[in-house]
Amino acid sequence: EAQVTQNPRYLITVTGKKLTVTCSQNMNHEYMSWYRQDPGLGLRQIYYSMNVEVTDKGDVPEGYKVSRKEKRNFPLILESPSPNQTSLYFCASSSLTGDSYNEQFFGPGTRLTVL
Amino acid sequence: GESVGLHLPTLSVQEGDNSIINCAYSNSASDYFIWYKQESGKGPQFIIDIRSNMDKRQGQRVTVLLNKTVKHLSLQIAATQPGDSAVYFCAETSYKLIFGSGTRLLVRP
Repeated sequence: EAQVTQNPRYLITVTGKKLTVTCSQNMNHEYMSWYRQDPGLGLRQIYYSMNVEVTDKGDVPEGYKVSRKEKRNFPLILESPSPNQTSLYFCASSSLTGDSYNEQFFGPGTRLTVL
Repeated sequence: GESVGLHLPTLSVQEGDNSIINCAYSNSASDYFIWYKQESGKGPQFIIDIRSNMDKRQGQRVTVLLNKTVKHLSLQIAATQPGDSAVYFCAETSYKLIFGSGTRLLVRP
């Protein structure tokens, strides 16, 4: 089954404790992206990657890091989480062939709470 | 399930009626306009897109209309079903995807 998986689905942590949210896709997609979703603000892009070893900042990259060492994986790293990073996080992937970019496949989401 | 927004505009329709969800966009240079559906507790799911040089595109039970003069996009859902209850996001893209804040569709049985 074609899918994007994220782990963990739920995480409660404390300020300053480094964490990683994993994302993996099995569709051989070139493009991967992280979004955060907050009430009233919709989905905002954190970082994206066009291919292996190619990453770039989205609209809200502060406080986050990413890496793309393999095509299928795109982990999101919070080196020192703060309460304002409490949010619902989504990973997404898509092909970059033609207009396939428009159809991004989203993971199930990770609910992060930073105390 | 997860709440994606506490103050989203809400459209309530009777099962079997047609639904029209509206969206205003800001970037005239966008190449595509897209609709996504997000059910409670799930990630967004692609529904349909329309290229900027078109004004109408139809899918299965859905139609998207684009009015570039007034920068307006709409999603029409025919014969709305309970499974259509979700939050709907419009999005626009040129070099990146930008999402709107969403509209909640409630389908009354």
